[in-house]
Amino acid sequence: DIVMTQSPDSLAVSLGERATINCKSSQSVLYSSNNKNYLAWYQQKPGQPPKLLIYWASTRESGVPDRFSGSGSGTDFTLTISSLQAEDVAVYYCQQYYSTPQVTFGPGTKVDIK
Amino acid sequence: QVQLVESGGGLVKPGGSLRLSCAASGFTFSDYYMSWIRQAPGKGLEWVSHIRSSSGYTNYADSVKGRFTISRDNAKNSLFLQMNSLRAEDTAVYYCARDWEQLGLIDYWGQGTLVTVSS
Repeated sequence: DIVMTQSPDSLAVSLGERATINCKSSQSVLYSSNNKNYLAWYQQKPGQPPKLLIYWASTRESGVPDRFSGSGSGTDFTLTISSLQAEDVAVYYCQQYYSTPQVTFGPGTKVDIK
Repeated sequence: QVQLVESGGGLVKPGGSLRLSCAASGFTFSDYYMSWIRQAPGKGLEWVSHIRSSSGYTNYADSVKGRFTISRDNAKNSLFLQMNSLRAEDTAVYYCARDWEQLGLIDYWGQGTLVTVSS
């Protein structure tokens, strides 16, 4: 299984400031034949199911604000919230779908307001 | 709009069985692979099982293999998860999830149904 890790476990950021979440996979999720990283990010607010934010490591899902961005390749990835808003308080998960259907998720990073 | 509505959760004793259902609407259900993903209370997300659109291929996490069975009824736009020999560690919210482009990427999730295994 591909093991996903995230750092930090939690972070508190002031409104309008940048939040950065890191995700690392135990093996590369870059598929060489199409040069795509099989890495997604989800946002989960309390009492709600997860919501897809980003796929292919850096492609925003339709309707996702552009303050959310993803970067990275191979085994190391980053989710950045450029200017934190109150509605961004949530837990964020990375997911690899390289080994589909046996996909795996990171343990999550909780984002709060400082 | 896409809707996935789970049902069938509840309290069950260790060793017992439960059958979860997911009613899908707002899309052509038979075109999509589907998955069950669970989340233990206060914990992260764990993929449980997957079924292709024609039901001919299924896959399971090692933690549930031999105990859980995924199935679907495309005529009724429904997904199922038969859970047998339940253990305390199966306690979780179970989400029905739609697989986008057969990639293992989840683009829609249901609201989830809570399964509690306790004596």
